[in-house]
Amino acid sequence: DVKVTQSSRYLVKRTGEKVFLECVQDMDHENMFWYRQDPGLGLRLIYFSYDVKMKEKGDIPEGYSVSREKKERFSLILESASTNQTSMYLCASSWSAGYNEQFFGPGTRLTVL
Amino acid sequence: AQSVTQPDIHITVSEGASLELRCNYSYGATPYLFWYVQSPGQGLQLLLKYFSGDTLVQGIKGFEAEFKRSQSSFNLRKPSVHWSDAAEYFCAVDPSGTYKYIFGTGTRLKVLA
Repeated sequence: DVKVTQSSRYLVKRTGEKVFLECVQDMDHENMFWYRQDPGLGLRLIYFSYDVKMKEKGDIPEGYSVSREKKERFSLILESASTNQTSMYLCASSWSAGYNEQFFGPGTRLTVL
Repeated sequence: AQSVTQPDIHITVSEGASLELRCNYSYGATPYLFWYVQSPGQGLQLLLKYFSGDTLVQGIKGFEAEFKRSQSSFNLRKPSVHWSDAAEYFCAVDPSGTYKYIFGTGTRLKVLA
């Protein structure tokens, strides 16, 4: 089974802190994604990576950056956390050959105080 | 603007009753279409997907969906709902095969015993 893991299920940080959310997949997927999930808004794409060190901005990249130094790991970075970044963050991965669905991790619920 | 609409925010059905969850999209060409389910506190799990061919697609857990090009719809159905189907359901669209999904805002299903 494809497994996508996220480093924390729950995280509480203070305004202005630098926050790292880690995601690891074990199926050699080329593509990795970070989404933000908010009630009534569904999932919104923050960043997308299609290869090591390659990234593309999604719909809401402001306030976030990403890092992909190894194929299996994709990190989301909040350089200076703000209260409006309190949300559920979901990581996903997929193959790029042919067409395949995205596999999701369990999510990290981040609260910024 | 490209969009995915799930018009029902909440739906309540009795156990054993039939279910239909609606999804409409606004794209010119036939996109790739997906339905995901999210149980409380969990990530998203793929129920089914449509790329081409037969417009009635079978998925896991007894779900099916029908693609109707004329109505730009991809509605999810189940003939007899089980209490364990209580969850949030998301329709997703990849409009151009770029691996970047656009999600609907979700429909939360409640099942009455």
